[in-house]
This record gives sequence, structure tokens and C-alpha cells, in this order.
Amino acid sequence: DAGVIQSPRHEVTEMGQEVTLRCKPISGHNSLFWYRQTMMRGLELLIYFNNNVPIDDSGMPEDRFSAKMPNASFSTLKIQPSEPRDSAVYFCASSDVQGRQETQYFGPGTRLLVL
Amino acid sequence: AQTVTQSQPEMSVQEAETVTLSCTYDTSENNYYLFWYKQPPSRQMILVIRQEAYKQQNATENRFSVNFQKAAKSFSLKISDSQLGDTAMYFCAFMVRADKIIFGKGTRLHILP
Repeated sequence: DAGVIQSPRHEVTEMGQEVTLRCKPISGHNSLFWYRQTMMRGLELLIYFNNNVPIDDSGMPEDRFSAKMPNASFSTLKIQPSEPRDSAVYFCASSDVQGRQETQYFGPGTRLLVL
Repeated sequence: AQTVTQSQPEMSVQEAETVTLSCTYDTSENNYYLFWYKQPPSRQMILVIRQEAYKQQNATENRFSVNFQKAAKSFSLKISDSQLGDTAMYFCAFMVRADKIIFGKGTRLHILP
């Protein structure tokens, strides 16, 4: 199993630019989670999907952030326009809820730096 | 609201020693899951061990074991025969529903040669 795949692994962009982060969950998993990690705030859950449907997006910081899951094998997190305070490591994780495998498996993360 | 507290921000031990990382949580739920994740300098989040609250037996994975005290709401991680590769940030995590994990702030563990 390839595990959760995220791309890009590193992203450097300028303030005001659009940033798109991508995630491919583990095959067969039906829940997908987006997290952000910073030194100041630690790990924060931004949004999660169950069967491609957004369940809880209360962690999304503001309207500049949006997430989609068009199918079971792909999700995106978009920031438009990006700001320096968005610099962080963004993790995607997936789990198999209905299979009662409650454990979330994390991708390698995307390091985002907004200049 | 559920909370997870890791009271040790940072710890250092000598290689081959045993170290215990503390974690307490607060919940009114009876059925839940507890996890320890490891985050080495690569920043990858790696599951170390998990425990179902309904199981009385403490989970064990090779050199890693937990001391789960449900009444005390305590979930400590013991690393035996510590190795240099154990150097990492360790996060305790709690989950009631099968969809939302609550993480502690983490304990940074240094294994010294």
C-alpha cells in the first residue's frame, strides 16, 4: 500500500498567489482529513470528509481556504489569496471509518512558505 | 469538550534507557480510542500505538507500551531500550467518534548517545 500521498512536498509562493495542495487517500478509506501544523498553534484540524462529503469545516480559518473532494481518491485544499501567516505544514490523513479501522494515517505533509 | 494534556514539553534520556511520556485527557464519554503518534525531524506523522477504551489490557508494540488508566483518564507511553531513532516529537491523541482526533501539544523527546 502506498499510503497517503500528498503533493507538492514543498511549496514556496508569494503573497497573493493561489496555492493548491493535493491529497490521495489510502485506497478503500472513506474519511479524509486536512490538518495544519505550526509552531504557535500545533496541529489543527481544518476540515474532514466522509464518503466525499464535507462533514465539519469549522476549522477552516477563513474564506480564503477551500477544500474539495470530487471523488474517493482525490482531494484538494486551496488557499486564495495566500498570506505569509498561512506558512505551515499541511497534512492530509485518511481512515476507514465504516470498516471500524478508526486509525488515521497521515501523508508526508506539504511544507508551505508564503513570502 | 474533550481535552488532551501532555505536561512534559521536552525530555532527554540516554540511549538504552527507559522513558515514560505522560498524557491525560478529559471526557465524559465511555467508548473512545487513544493514540500515540511520533513525528521525527522529517515531520512525518507516524502511528506508534493505539488503545481502545473498552479493552482493559494495555497495548504493546515491540519496545512501546502504554499504561492506560481509564478511571484516572491517563494514557502514558513507555519506551524501553530507547534508541537514537526514537528522537522525535510525540503526540498523544484522543478520539470519540470515528472522525475527529484531538491532539495534545506534544512532548519533544531527545535520545542522547
